[in-house]
Amino acid sequence: EAQVTQNPRYLITVTGKKLTVTCSQNMNHEYMSWYRQDPGLGLRQIYYSMNVEVTDKGDVPEGYKVSRKEKRNFPLILESPSPNQTSLYFCASSENRVRRNQPQHFGDGTRLSIL
Amino acid sequence: AQSVTQLDSQVPVFEEAPVELRCNYSSSVSVYLFWYVQYPNQGLQLLLKYLSGSTLVKGINGFEAEFNKSQTSFHLRKPSVHISDTAEYFCAVDSGGSNYKLTFGKGTLLTVNP
Repeated sequence: EAQVTQNPRYLITVTGKKLTVTCSQNMNHEYMSWYRQDPGLGLRQIYYSMNVEVTDKGDVPEGYKVSRKEKRNFPLILESPSPNQTSLYFCASSENRVRRNQPQHFGDGTRLSIL
Repeated sequence: AQSVTQLDSQVPVFEEAPVELRCNYSSSVSVYLFWYVQYPNQGLQLLLKYLSGSTLVKGINGFEAEFNKSQTSFHLRKPSVHISDTAEYFCAVDSGGSNYKLTFGKGTLLTVNP
């Protein structure tokens, strides 16, 4: 089954404790992206990756890091989480962003609470 | 820069009534337009997309949307809603710029009441 898998689904942690949210897709997609969803703000892009070893900032990259060492994986790293990063996070992938008619496939989300 | 405005944050309707969720966009170039649906505790699923051609686009679950270039709108419609359509709906635009960015609206919560 084609899917985007995020882990963990839920996490409560404390300020300053480094954490990683994993994202993996099994569709051989080139493009992957991270979003955060906050009430009244919709989805905002954090980082995206056009392909392996190619990443770039989205609208709200501060406080986040990403890496794309393999095509299927695109982890989101919070080196020193702060309460304003409490949010619902989504990973998405699509076949090829140069061909813009490809819709994005989303994971089920990761709800992070930073105390 | 591209932007998306969903004019209603919440839309309550009764079951079997018609519904329209409004979306306006701004972009200086040609666009690709999408509607996504998010059911509770789930990720986003693609409902439909407009890329080119016919301005009336049909999607899954009986939804359709009409692209209006002169009014820069892409409203979503369904002639008769079901309880199961209760969800949040997001309009998104890709203007094809070099930043490869998909911009989402803030969402419209559709609540279908019996």
